[in-house]
Amino acid sequence: SQTIHQWPATLVQPVGSPLSLECTVEGTSNPNLYWYRQAAGRGLQLLFYSVGIGQISSEVPQNLSASRPQDRQFILSSKKLLLSDSGFYLCAWSVGFLRGTATEAFFGQGTRLTVV
Amino acid sequence: GNSVTQMEGPVTLSEEAFLTINCTYTATGYPSLFWYVQYPGEGLQLLLKATKADDKGSNKGFEATYRKETTSFHLEKGSVQVSDSAVYFCALSKNDYKLSFGAGTTVTVRA
Repeated sequence: SQTIHQWPATLVQPVGSPLSLECTVEGTSNPNLYWYRQAAGRGLQLLFYSVGIGQISSEVPQNLSASRPQDRQFILSSKKLLLSDSGFYLCAWSVGFLRGTATEAFFGQGTRLTVV
Repeated sequence: GNSVTQMEGPVTLSEEAFLTINCTYTATGYPSLFWYVQYPGEGLQLLLKATKADDKGSNKGFEATYRKETTSFHLEKGSVQVSDSAVYFCALSKNDYKLSFGAGTTVTVRA
């Protein structure tokens, strides 16, 4: 069966420090991968998605970047964190389409990032 | 573009009450529709889904029917429990690799 791992679960970082959040998927090949952010009490904002190695699409211009160095690895980074980067970051994967039907996404447990 | 509008709440209910959360969508053609649930401090879990018009998704006593004519996918449960307290998200996916989410509805069930 497929599983998704996301770490760390909690992170407190000072303003101006770098960030690296990692997500890996097991049990599937060539998944679509996603990074979402959820601000406190708010909905989900899609930050990046990737349909293949080295292919990254950015949804929102910001202080963050994403990379996909391997098929099932997705990394969210920042060179210098801002206070406004605080939030709950969620990684997700999907198979995209199955017999012409858009499929659901499966989420990791999330990383609570607090920038101080 | 594709979008989802859902009742924002918060919603507070007593145990065994009936729950309904409205969700409407905007999209061309026939998107796939989903309800996700998020318990405190956790990621999102898929609750149910429907991929074509008139499909009914169901799971754990929750149901939602894909209504093309009203572009709706309302979530219902006949008798809620305290353990159903969570945030519920309606979402859709079409042919652009992305899920579009509603704002989420916080549901609190009191004993």
